[in-house]
Amino acid sequence: NAGVTQTPKFQVLKTGQSMTLQCAQDMNHNSMYWYRQDPGMGLRLIYYSASEGTTDKGEVPNGYNVSRLNKREFSLRLESAAPSQTSVYFCASSAQGALNSPLHFGNGTRLTVT
Amino acid sequence: GENVEQHPSTLSVQEGDSAVIKCTYSDSASNYFPWYKQELGKGPQLIIDIRSNVGEKKDQRIAVTLNKTAKHFSLHITETQPEDSAVYFCAASTGTYKYIFGTGTRLKVLA
Repeated sequence: NAGVTQTPKFQVLKTGQSMTLQCAQDMNHNSMYWYRQDPGMGLRLIYYSASEGTTDKGEVPNGYNVSRLNKREFSLRLESAAPSQTSVYFCASSAQGALNSPLHFGNGTRLTVT
Repeated sequence: GENVEQHPSTLSVQEGDSAVIKCTYSDSASNYFPWYKQELGKGPQLIIDIRSNVGEKKDQRIAVTLNKTAKHFSLHITETQPEDSAVYFCAASTGTYKYIFGTGTRLKVLA
């Protein structure tokens, strides 16, 4: 069982470049999430998708866009990367979202913007 | 806004001793409290969770307690082993899609 798979694992960008982080889950979960993790700040929600066809902003959405491509896949796009977006990005999924199902995380993408 | 405070930020214990990590939440509507363990280079993994209608839950060497009046919940690990060394995160949720995470505790179990 792969669970939640994120690609790439590492990425270095120059300021102003764009990229898309990919996420796929094979657990038939309805809800998917993108978090960023920074030292001393825990995990902060960027965007989430409660179900296929819907997306909503989280705590720190500025500078990001998302696409829920289908039930399995949820991508995060940086249109014009900035050094402040240097972080570790985690995708997560859950079965029922609002009914307090636990989050299942991928292993992260470590992004550096120079 | 809502927040979750987590203490301590680092914790070192001798193998076989107990470890306790504490979290305090601000939103009284929170009703679900998961704990995650994150090993180096990996994503957080759920280790135990508790809902607001329960005061305590145990799973082998791990237990979580909840005090709704004080808005306080804790993770207890007994008989610690080297493989328990990791970063632990608490979180609180109000039943929406929003989980508020603590800032993490780095636990080191010394052999």
